[in-house]
Amino acid sequence: DTGVSQDPRHKITKRGQNVTFRCDPISEHNRLYWYRQTLGQGPEFLTYFQNEAQLEKSRLLSDRFSAERPKGSFSTLEIQRTEQGDSAMYLCASSLQDPRDTDYEQYFGPGTRLTVT
Amino acid sequence: RKEVEQDPGPFNVPEGATVAFNCTYSNSASQSFFWYRQDCRKEPKLLMSVYSSGNEDGRFTAQLNRASQYISLLIRDSKLSDSATYLCVVNIVGSNDYKLSFGAGTTVTVRA
Repeated sequence: DTGVSQDPRHKITKRGQNVTFRCDPISEHNRLYWYRQTLGQGPEFLTYFQNEAQLEKSRLLSDRFSAERPKGSFSTLEIQRTEQGDSAMYLCASSLQDPRDTDYEQYFGPGTRLTVT
Repeated sequence: RKEVEQDPGPFNVPEGATVAFNCTYSNSASQSFFWYRQDCRKEPKLLMSVYSSGNEDGRFTAQLNRASQYISLLIRDSKLSDSATYLCVVNIVGSNDYKLSFGAGTTVTVRA
């Protein structure tokens, strides 16, 4: 399977614990995005990387959240001191960004469903 | 005000019917527009891009009205497999800003 993969698919954790999710994008894609989706809502942008550089972070991304893409390939999203409000589906997407294009597709992974008890 | 607003539905239609719904966006600088489809507990997948002149892809027709800042999707001859949530998506393309803004989705259920 050459699509975007995410691990784990499900995570249940107790409030106050730290969790880390991994995303492996499509191999030639230079851009990687993290989104969060709660029930009944569309995905909300969290952050994105071009290669290894983190170019933008949403104000939704509090200081308890950190994301990395150390070698410009896979990415990790860590949430420290989890709260019940962090319960959501965390989606990763990747795209191949050509500066000449303004129309492109982001390919989404299956997501990691986080439940904080 | 949300950047992208959609009628949540649900739209319950019989097989073979035509169903249409809109979304509105608030930022006039939005430059790219899409419809994504999301099945229950699955990831979003691109259905089609939306162009200023309007475009068709099989049974699906998308329209963009920049003056009124709305996008529409029409599904003709609906199939059971069209049952899903349809997400309206806009993108503001700038020097470093390629994030997508999603609506909350319109749920369509096609019944036999």
